[in-house]
Amino acid sequence: DAGVIQSPRHEVTEMGQEVTLRCKPISGHDYLFWYRQTMMRGLELLIYFNNNVPIDDSGMPEDRFSAKMPNASFSTLKIQPSEPRDSAVYFCASVPNSGGLADTQYFGPGTRLTVL
Amino acid sequence: TQLLEQSPQFLSIQEGENLTVYCNSSSVFSSLQWYRQEPGEGPVLLVTVVTGGEVKKLKRLTFQFGDARKDSSLHITAAQPGDTGLYLCAGARAAGNKLTFGGGTRVLVKP
Repeated sequence: DAGVIQSPRHEVTEMGQEVTLRCKPISGHDYLFWYRQTMMRGLELLIYFNNNVPIDDSGMPEDRFSAKMPNASFSTLKIQPSEPRDSAVYFCASVPNSGGLADTQYFGPGTRLTVL
Repeated sequence: TQLLEQSPQFLSIQEGENLTVYCNSSSVFSSLQWYRQEPGEGPVLLVTVVTGGEVKKLKRLTFQFGDARKDSSLHITAAQPGDTGLYLCAGARAAGNKLTFGGGTRVLVKP
């Protein structure tokens, strides 16, 4: 089975431009998470969805960030306008719902974003 | 301030030595997971512990969940260069899948 797929793998853009990151979760998984990882702040949860519905977006830094999940097989994270401090690796993770206390999070390979 | 504090932040050892990574919190977690992340990749789950005092072994890796479910440790025996990576602990506060990650411990095992 294919794992979580993220695109693009690398993105370099200039300050003020719109950036769209894409994620295809593992088929059949009910949860989808977006994280941001930097050396300074580590791995931070931005937002997560359950059955395509946003459940918790308290980690989204500000209004410049938005995320959607129009269907079970696709999600986007958009930054508009982008700023240099948004430079980070953005991960998407999908999780099956076994009803347990904590299921395995399957991470994608990440998108390395550089905002100049 | 990290809800989950990992120590040390960085560890460099020679092949064959042992190492221990700690994950501490003032909060109680219903479960705790350890992930390993290699450069250019996403984290990969190593283990999940759910019961206070639980010990799990995965080959040369031993994981322990504290009795009060506030802390955990990862011990690697006879480390090998393939153990090099970023080790992350992550706790779940309640039933469900929302995790809080620690800051990570970067381990370098030199041949």
